Amino acid sequence: AQRVTQPEKLLSVFKGAPVELKCNYSYSGSPELFWYVQYSRQRLQLLLRHISRESIKGFTADLNKGETSFHLKKPFAQEEDSAMYYCAPVTGGGNKLTFGTGTQLKVEL
Amino acid sequence: SQTIHQWPATLVQPVGSPLSLECTVEGTSNPNLYWYRQAAGRGLQLLFYSVGIGQISSEVPQNLSASRPQDRQFILSSKKLLLSDSGFYLCAWSPIRGDTQYFGPGTRLTVL
Repeated sequence: AQRVTQPEKLLSVFKGAPVELKCNYSYSGSPELFWYVQYSRQRLQLLLRHISRESIKGFTADLNKGETSFHLKKPFAQEEDSAMYYCAPVTGGGNKLTFGTGTQLKVEL
Repeated sequence: SQTIHQWPATLVQPVGSPLSLECTVEGTSNPNLYWYRQAAGRGLQLLFYSVGIGQISSEVPQNLSASRPQDRQFILSSKKLLLSDSGFYLCAWSPIRGDTQYFGPGTRLTVL
C-alpha cells in the first residue's frame, strides 16, 4: 500500500543544533513532495516543495529516490522553528495530498 | 487575493445531532477543495475532496458526507453525530491539481 511515514512524533533539539525531520514514502514513480508546517495558533501552511528546490527559513529537503526519503533539514535550529511539521506527497492521480502523522519539533534554549 | 473561511470556529454538539460545517473560498474560480480531520496523535486525515461543483470523492468510509453546491462552497455534514466524530476539521483549497494547498482556520468539534 502507498504510504508516507514520519517516524518521530516528537523531536527536541537545542537552539543552534542541526535538525533533521525524517520522511519516508512508498509511492511508485516520482511523486511531488511537500513539507507543511503549523506554528502555534496559526494555520497549517506550506513550508517548501521539492520541485522548487529552494531553501525556506533555512530549511531544505532533498528527494532521495534510492532511499525513498524526503527528509527536512536545517543546519542551526532557532526557537521560532518550534512547530508541527507534516510531510505530504501528491497522490490520487495528482488530485490530493496524503499527509504523514507529523513531527512536533521543539527547539529548546 | 484569495482567502478561505470556515465556520463555526468551535462547536459542541450532542451525540445523534446533525452537523453542518461550511467552508468558502474567495478570490479564485474552480478551486480544488478538501476536507481534513486532524485528530490528536493521528495526524491529518483527508476525508473528502472535490474538483468541481457536485463532484465529491470520499476517502474513508464514515459517518460524514460532503457537498459542493457552489463553485467556492464546500460543506461537511452528518445526519447523526458519533462521539468518534470529535476532532479538528480543516478545509483547504488549491488552484490546480497537485499544487500547494491553502488551509482555513479550522473548526473544533466536540461531540458529547
